[in-house]
Amino acid sequence: DTAVSQTPKYLVTQMGNDKSIKCEQNLGHDTMYWYKQDSKKFLKIMFSYNNKELIINETVPNRFSPKSPDKAHLNLHINSLELGDSAVYFCASSQDKYRSSYEQYFGPGTRLTVT
Amino acid sequence: DAKTTQPTSMDCAEGRAANLPCNHSTISGNEYVYWYRQIHSQGPQYIIHGLKNNETNEMASLIITEDRKSSTLILPHATLRDTAVYYCIVRVAGYLRNLEIHLWWVISGTYKYIFGTGTRLKVLA
Repeated sequence: DTAVSQTPKYLVTQMGNDKSIKCEQNLGHDTMYWYKQDSKKFLKIMFSYNNKELIINETVPNRFSPKSPDKAHLNLHINSLELGDSAVYFCASSQDKYRSSYEQYFGPGTRLTVT
Repeated sequence: DAKTTQPTSMDCAEGRAANLPCNHSTISGNEYVYWYRQIHSQGPQYIIHGLKNNETNEMASLIITEDRKSSTLILPHATLRDTAVYYCIVRVAGYLRNLEIHLWWVISGTYKYIFGTGTRLKVLA
């Protein structure tokens, strides 16, 4: 069983469109994250949700809006897509509650290409 | 900004130990060192983490210097499948928006990672 899954795996779209990427984890974790990996392979956190509440919000344009319908899902909606949004987006999750290890489990990534 | 520095790339012969160094000279006393790796076109994978003591698991060993300013990840018998980018990460406190969330965060313990550029390890046959 896949622990953290993302759909779609590939997404090609035109500038100005609105698109969503879905993420689901079946690990029973409390916290989920979105990361962006650019063309230089630099991995940077975008958002973090804990029990459906936004916890981390890095300096991301407000065209990006995460939505967490329940703690097993964290979707990423992007409005008015721009060329610079082209990247691989990774979803991750971690357990959270007084544990010393907070390792994150990453999904397979969604490669977004904006043309 | 990344709080760790690593060599850009390293080669290792198959079957030999791969020693990947990391400098984290500004690490705070309560910050853990984590290691992840990313195999081509896949999501990052957790390897190991530590605070002060050396750690070992089925994948690797982590050696942390006494002053905690640097660490080394050791893959004891590297295989071709270990070819990947290895990230050394210091676990940083969560991002805070206001006092209420700060208090809640302290209880819940949510953290974020700051990934550096990593070391591209190539295991050679």
